[in-house]
Amino acid sequence: GAVVSQHPSWVICKSGTSVKIECRSLDFQATTMFWYRQFPKQSLMLMATSNEGSKATYEQGVEKDKFLINHASLTLSTLTVTSAHPEDSSFYICSARDLRVETQETQYFGPGTRLLVL
Amino acid sequence: GEDVEQSLFLSVREGDSSVINCTYTDSSSTYLYWYKQEPGAGLQLLTYIFSNMDMKQDQRLTVLLNKKDKHLSLRIADTQTGDSAIYFCAEAAGGGFKTIFGAGTRLFVKA
Repeated sequence: GAVVSQHPSWVICKSGTSVKIECRSLDFQATTMFWYRQFPKQSLMLMATSNEGSKATYEQGVEKDKFLINHASLTLSTLTVTSAHPEDSSFYICSARDLRVETQETQYFGPGTRLLVL
Repeated sequence: GEDVEQSLFLSVREGDSSVINCTYTDSSSTYLYWYKQEPGAGLQLLTYIFSNMDMKQDQRLTVLLNKKDKHLSLRIADTQTGDSAIYFCAEAAGGGFKTIFGAGTRLFVKA
C-alpha cells in the first residue's frame, strides 16, 4: 500500500528557532498534500493544503507567515514553523492524495511529527 | 458550516460489539470515513462509505449511514484489546477536496 513518511518523528527546539518538517510520499506521486495539527486529546485541525508547484491554501486562522509550506516536487512537501513558541508545540500530521487514483478515499497519512518548543 | 461530532469515550468488554456514532453537517459529502489512531501514531484509514450506500461490511467492521439524519456509525464485532484506540469519523467536505474530522472517540476495551 501507499506509504507517507514524515521526518523528523519528533523534535525539541528552543523558543525563537525555526523547525522544518518533511512529508514524503514514498511510492506514489501526490499533487496535493495536507498539513494537520493535533492537540492532545483533540481532533485533527486542517492547517493548509499544499499544491505542487503553487502556493499553499491556508485555512482560516492559520498564519501563512508563521507556517511556511513548500511543495517542491510530487513526492515532497515541507512545513516550516518559523520563530517557534511554546504554544506551537503540537503533533503535526501530513497526508497525501494519490495522483494515480482519482477517488477520494486515496488519502494516506504520515505517522506524525511531535514538536516540543521549550 | 462543516462540522463532525462524535462521543468522546466508549468502554466495552473484550468479545462484545462496539458501536461508535457520528453526526455530520455537510449534506453534499460524498465520502465518509472512519480512521483509527493508536497512541503516538498517525491515522490509519479503517473503512469508508460512499454517500449513496446505506451499509458497508468489511470483516469485523460494519458501517451504517443514514443520510437523511446525517448519521454514521461504526460497529466493531468481537472487540479485542488491540482495538483500543481513538476512532475518528471524517467527511469529505468542501466539494470533496478536504477532509473534516470529528474530535475522536476513545475506545477502551476491558479484558
